Amino acid sequence: DIQMTQSPSSLSASVGDRVSITCRASQNINNFLNWYQQKTGKAPELLIYAASSLQSGVPSRFTGSGSGTDFTLTISSLQPEDFATYYCQQSYHTPWTFGQGTKVDIK
Amino acid sequence: QVQLQESGPGLVKPSETLSLTCTVSGGSISNYFVSWIRQPAGRGLEWIGRIYTTGSTSYNPSLKSRLTMSVDTSKNQFSLNLTSVSAADTAVYYCARDRYYYGPGNYYALDSWGQGTLVTVSS
Repeated sequence: DIQMTQSPSSLSASVGDRVSITCRASQNINNFLNWYQQKTGKAPELLIYAASSLQSGVPSRFTGSGSGTDFTLTISSLQPEDFATYYCQQSYHTPWTFGQGTKVDIK
Repeated sequence: QVQLQESGPGLVKPSETLSLTCTVSGGSISNYFVSWIRQPAGRGLEWIGRIYTTGSTSYNPSLKSRLTMSVDTSKNQFSLNLTSVSAADTAVYYCARDRYYYGPGNYYALDSWGQGTLVTVSS
């Protein structure tokens, strides 16, 4: 299985901050990388697919970058509704695998 | 807009079989995958497996020996059966559309999710 490792596991930030979350794959996955946001008690929601493509309806403050083994999700200006847990997921080869999650909370 | 809804017993006894159904509404289920994902309380996401509308499956090797997925296109329903459950199978179970995105590669992403259903394994 392909192992996905996110960093940091958690971070505290303020509204308006620029936030970046990193995801590393245990092998080259080209750009087969997705990002999800999960709020407490809710199902995850797709933000980014194919490493950098914005899912329809997702605000443009979310951007994804990277290829190969290293990827980044950036929120350009954190909004109150962005406090949540974020997961990366590889879709290069089944079984699909997720990172352990990064919790973004209020400083 | 497609919507997915999980249903099934919230409590299953150890060693018995966990059975869940995912009902899809708002569109045809032709020509796409549905994945099942689970999440123990306070923990991360684990992909269980997926099934295509033709019935073709791909299972997580960690669960493969206990897992069966099926589809009933006449009812727009996908089903999951997990046998010989233990407390380790206690989790919120989600179904999600595993959508194909056109591009230079075969991109898949989980673009629509059910709300999830909590299954507790306990006697």
